[in-house]
Amino acid sequence: AQSVTQLGSHVSVSEGALVLLRCNYSSSVPPYLFWYVQYPNQGLQLLLKYTTGATLVKGINGFEAEFKKSETSFHLTKPSAHMSDAAEYFCAVSDSYQLTFGKGTKLSVIP
Amino acid sequence: ETGVTQTPRHLVMGMTNKKSLKCEQHLGHNAMYWYKQSAKKPLELMFVYSLEERVENNSVPSRFSPECPNSSHLFLHLHTLQPEDSALYLCASSLEINNEQFFGPGTRLTVL
Repeated sequence: AQSVTQLGSHVSVSEGALVLLRCNYSSSVPPYLFWYVQYPNQGLQLLLKYTTGATLVKGINGFEAEFKKSETSFHLTKPSAHMSDAAEYFCAVSDSYQLTFGKGTKLSVIP
Repeated sequence: ETGVTQTPRHLVMGMTNKKSLKCEQHLGHNAMYWYKQSAKKPLELMFVYSLEERVENNSVPSRFSPECPNSSHLFLHLHTLQPEDSALYLCASSLEINNEQFFGPGTRLTVL
């Protein structure tokens, strides 16, 4: 069975500050890992994904994530937060056909 | 229209009503999914279809009945729902199972 833990249901950062959203996973097979973002009243949008190869993955809107197998982590970062980054972020792990999502982290950006 | 669309966007229904949610994908994908998103709970996978065949049914109550008439359309038929079924219902599609999924905007369902 696979699972995802997102540390912190709510994270607040100042505009221009570093964004760090944490994700740890467990999986019995080499995982595919994803980060999705959800803006209010919208569906989920794929930010980035890791399947194989380079462990540092770059996504849209300046976000990136690093797959660390030894730590079973896939933390999401962005060097400088913008007001438009305020949203809920979901980490997900996939083995065969099922995406297992974390509970989500709501990011607030303070002007 | 592009991407994944869902109708209606909002639905209020009584416990004795019968209604249907519709999802359509314009991406040429072969797999489609229904998820339930409730407040303070992780996204719950409800149903998975691949090439119009149901692949997975995650112990969903029978008051939810999916239908996939072709690879572009997915329905969720609702009957005799309970107030705790109120949630955002998200549809998603992927090229094949295990590829990244593309989500629709969801249907906000309220059961009175």
